Amino acid sequence: GAGVSQTPSNKVTEKGKYVELRCDPISGHTALYWYRQSLGQGPEFLIYFQGTGAADDSGLPNDRFFAVRPEGSVSTLKIQRTERGDSAVYLCASSLMGYTEAFFGQGTRLTVV
Amino acid sequence: AQTVTQSQPEMSVQEAETVTLSCTYDTSESDYYLFWYKQPPSRQMILVIRQEAYKQQNATENRFSVNFQKAAKSFSLKISDSQLGDAAMYFCAYRSDTGNQFYFGTGTSLTVIP
Repeated sequence: GAGVSQTPSNKVTEKGKYVELRCDPISGHTALYWYRQSLGQGPEFLIYFQGTGAADDSGLPNDRFFAVRPEGSVSTLKIQRTERGDSAVYLCASSLMGYTEAFFGQGTRLTVV
Repeated sequence: AQTVTQSQPEMSVQEAETVTLSCTYDTSESDYYLFWYKQPPSRQMILVIRQEAYKQQNATENRFSVNFQKAAKSFSLKISDSQLGDAAMYFCAYRSDTGNQFYFGTGTSLTVIP
């Protein structure tokens, strides 16, 4: 596609439920990032994929968070047993290998009630 | 870990005037990249300008320019001839030459007054 696409745009879920957030990167981009942005804060790194593998998952806050990218394109961020503190905007970005800047999607606003 | 500091939570500027947004960072690395991203209410982060640390010349993109002071670890953004469409959150970001992460500051909210 022309840009990074994230779905859904907004998601409201009940505490304890499971959610999946989808990211469709720019075609041909091998690198994919997930970031979390809490209200009034800058984005915080969660995980980085190079191709199909998670090259760096040091930002995942705990084992309730997991992300996959099975075919090296679309990625899904999965959150189990959601908590109210998980409420944030989840941003996805992609870049061409060897390029320094990343291109971001519009994010998914997750609200846990 | 690298840290990026934006000490101005909010700034305002009159339309057509010039404004400078400040950013400092902390790193022990010599090769890295610095960025300014704009985030309007649509939430999408839009790249405004980037600077390679090995380049002494300050980057310029139309009305946007930076003042990169490597020794001082300072990277400010100057917006000239401010326009209403410039109103947004602005984030300074750092990425090392060998790393995968972007480190972001906490942002500066820019208001443009007509």
